[in-house]
Amino acid sequence: GAGVSQTPSNKVTEKGKYVELRCDPISGHTALYWYRQSLGQGPEFLIYFQGTGAADDSGLPNDRFFAVRPEGSVSTLKIQRTERGDSAVYLCASSLRLAGYNEQFFGPGTRLTVL
Amino acid sequence: QQQVKQSPQSLIVQKGGISIINCAYENTAFDYFPWYQQFPGKGPALLIAIRPDVSEKKEGRFTISFNKSAKQFSLHIMDSQPGDSATYFCAAKQRALTFGSGTRLQVQP
Repeated sequence: GAGVSQTPSNKVTEKGKYVELRCDPISGHTALYWYRQSLGQGPEFLIYFQGTGAADDSGLPNDRFFAVRPEGSVSTLKIQRTERGDSAVYLCASSLRLAGYNEQFFGPGTRLTVL
Repeated sequence: QQQVKQSPQSLIVQKGGISIINCAYENTAFDYFPWYQQFPGKGPALLIAIRPDVSEKKEGRFTISFNKSAKQFSLHIMDSQPGDSATYFCAAKQRALTFGSGTRLQVQP
């Protein structure tokens, strides 16, 4: 079966531009997570969804970052007025449910480079 | 505040040797402790995980030891192979995962 997919795999943009990163979770997974991984570091939590609602967005660094999951499946992470410090790999993961000992399956990530 | 501390940052082991990576956590609300393996250009993949009511879990060459009172857990890779060369992350879960900073393992043939 298909795993978590993310598009694009690479995105190069200029400082100040707007970007959207897409995540397609595993079919049937109700929980979806976004993480950001800087070079040489572990992934850092940004936001997670249970169904359509953002259950916890406390990891979003500031109000330039926003994520949606309108139909409880595909999610889009949106970054406004990008800054060079936003350059990182953005990882998406999904799990069967939010609670309990459910494995989080990660996608390959989108590498964002802000020039 | 770094809630999960991981060491060492890098590790070189000879083929057939034992690789040991250690992690410590602070938040007692964590209820699940997975280890992830990551190859360059790929997302992390679950290797093995443990619940806090268990002190040890073994799957093949991989073993997690868990010390709840000390708030520490470790990964042991027995008979390390060159194919094990990757970056390993410990993590702790409350709802989302909190990751350690990673250990880059190199197994020399």
